[in-house]
Amino acid sequence: RKEVEQDPGPFNVPEGATVAFNCTYSNSASQSFFWYRQDCRKEPKLLMSVYSSGNEDGRFTAQLNRASQYISLLIRDSKLSDSATYLCVVNYAGNNRKLIWGLGTSLAVNP
Amino acid sequence: DGGITQSPKYLFRKEGQNVTLSCEQNLNHDAMYWYRQDPGQGLRLIYYSQIVNDFQKGDIAEGYSVSREKKESFPLTVTSAQKNPTAFYLCAGRATYNSPLHFGNGTRLTVT
Repeated sequence: RKEVEQDPGPFNVPEGATVAFNCTYSNSASQSFFWYRQDCRKEPKLLMSVYSSGNEDGRFTAQLNRASQYISLLIRDSKLSDSATYLCVVNYAGNNRKLIWGLGTSLAVNP
Repeated sequence: DGGITQSPKYLFRKEGQNVTLSCEQNLNHDAMYWYRQDPGQGLRLIYYSQIVNDFQKGDIAEGYSVSREKKESFPLTVTSAQKNPTAFYLCAGRATYNSPLHFGNGTRLTVT
């Protein structure tokens, strides 16, 4: 089993739709979690951190479920500009505090 | 503007040549990272440094070298020993061990 797993997609949704991505992780000692957005041939950009109580930033909501070891990202009222690859990152505890990256979920929002 | 600056954006080299990718930051981050990304693959860690004059190998360090002589700079050298150097190289930094990474714009290296 991979340390961090994401459904690669692609997710094809119409404008205005609500779409949700999950990301599962295997190490229960994980300390912090993040969602990044990466556009084609660009660097990843931080979308949001994921807090234990869940957090919202405009149309984006992130949730953490430690019991089941997954994080989720919900996008409401999808825009064309939301089309990108969404990467989840898990920060493990330990001496090197390693960051483990998922392979990403591809989202295409269609007119 | 604060940030992480990578240069050049595109780099072309002949096989057998060493090449150095620049990464400079003015965010005062202690920790800096080098990743490689290939099409259809995730980010793979090459080297990281948590403090000046110290660095650690990542998952794919073979054929690469780094230095961290000052906090602001973390250059990556791709040596001729790297078998498949053509890739998108990303430099990143973070403020604390629980902070998210902030990336530079990346350098796309093509070796022919």
